[in-house]
Amino acid sequence: EDQVTQSPEALRLQEGESSSLNCSYTVSGLRGLFWYRQDPGKGPEFLFTLYSAGEEKEKERLKATLTKKESFLHITAPKPEDSATYLCAVRPREDYGQNFVFGPGTRLSVLP
Amino acid sequence: KAGVTQTPRYLIKTRGQQVTLSCSPISGHRSVSWYQQTPGQGLQFLFEYFSETQRNKGNFPGRFSGRQFSNSRSEMNVSTLELGDSALYLCASSPAGVNEQFFGPGTRLTVL
Repeated sequence: EDQVTQSPEALRLQEGESSSLNCSYTVSGLRGLFWYRQDPGKGPEFLFTLYSAGEEKEKERLKATLTKKESFLHITAPKPEDSATYLCAVRPREDYGQNFVFGPGTRLSVLP
Repeated sequence: KAGVTQTPRYLIKTRGQQVTLSCSPISGHRSVSWYQQTPGQGLQFLFEYFSETQRNKGNFPGRFSGRQFSNSRSEMNVSTLELGDSALYLCASSPAGVNEQFFGPGTRLTVL
């Protein structure tokens, strides 16, 4: 069964304190791994797609990396506006009646 | 370019009633997926439509149904509402041949 887990469940950082979020996945073939940001009461906002091990993508203070079993979202010198829930999702190569499989998310709070 | 729009944004219904939610995808996007998001279960895939045909379906009871129109707009229907159907219902669209999905703001359904 395709599964995505994320850790930690919640993370509190001081402004400027860099850290990493983890996404571990078990999937029958990977069509893509996706990172989203979700603010309270809103829909997820697309951040990155990663397709193969070793791939990296960057956007402002965020950098996503991918291995064969997990992905990391590195946050460098975060600001309070980076506070949100970060969701990881995979798209299995064989859908078997599923589309994206989402992890439970990591709630990030960045304190000024 | 306008994003994914969902109407209504908020709904309050009572048990046993039925409800219809609407989603207008980004112009040019032919794939529309629906997800249910709850605090306990996270984001769960309901179904995906492409060119008016249901292409994938998640593990939800038959009370949950959907359809897509020729202009790619989609509706989701839930019959015989239960308390456990209270959730944020999210619609996401993507262009043909592209893996990324772009989400709307969601419809918050409360069942009393």
